[in-house]
Amino acid sequence: NAGVTQNPKFQVLKTGQSMTLQCAQDMNHNSMYWYRQDPGMGLRLIYYSASEGTTDKGEVPNGYNVSRLNKREFSLRLESAAPSQTSVYFCASSGSSGGAETQYFGPGTRLLVL
Amino acid sequence: QKEVEQDPGPLSVPEGAIVSLNCTYSNSAFQYFMWYRQYSRKGPELLMYTYSSGNKEDGRFTAQVDKSSKYISLFIRDSQPSDSATYLCAMSASSGYSTLTFGKGTMLLVSP
Repeated sequence: NAGVTQNPKFQVLKTGQSMTLQCAQDMNHNSMYWYRQDPGMGLRLIYYSASEGTTDKGEVPNGYNVSRLNKREFSLRLESAAPSQTSVYFCASSGSSGGAETQYFGPGTRLLVL
Repeated sequence: QKEVEQDPGPLSVPEGAIVSLNCTYSNSAFQYFMWYRQYSRKGPELLMYTYSSGNKEDGRFTAQVDKSSKYISLFIRDSQPSDSATYLCAMSASSGYSTLTFGKGTMLLVSP
């Protein structure tokens, strides 16, 4: 049981390049999330998917797109990377724990945009 | 006023000390409260979760919620160097699917 996995672990991009961050979970969770974490800003929600086939914008969606490929996989795409998107990206999935939806995080992808 | 406030620290304590980490919040609709631990260069790890007001204990960790004061705490007894990490509080308003509102985290340093 790997939990939430993310690929790649680290990536360097040039401004204007595109890339897709991959996330998969094996906990049979319905909901999945993408966050970015920046110093002094905490965790900020980019997009989330409440269930397979649905996606919704979070707090900071500009410059990103997502795809919920199936129940297990949720990808985040940067179409034209900008230096402001340099960050650590975390994927999470949520399942019920004693009645509340608790979120479980992956190890993160460190992205540097030059 | 931000929805969730958390002192960023760092909070430095000697090994064996009792640690108190706290968050305040403004949204009275929050009912579910979580604490996450995040080691350097790792993802947040769910530590504890509580519902409504009251205490919950798990080993050396105790989570406390005071909804009347909109204040939650995490106590760590007999702190260890391995407890050195950033602790994030998180909250949600409903029991079903819900996005979480996170604090920015408090960095804890436990020295041997």
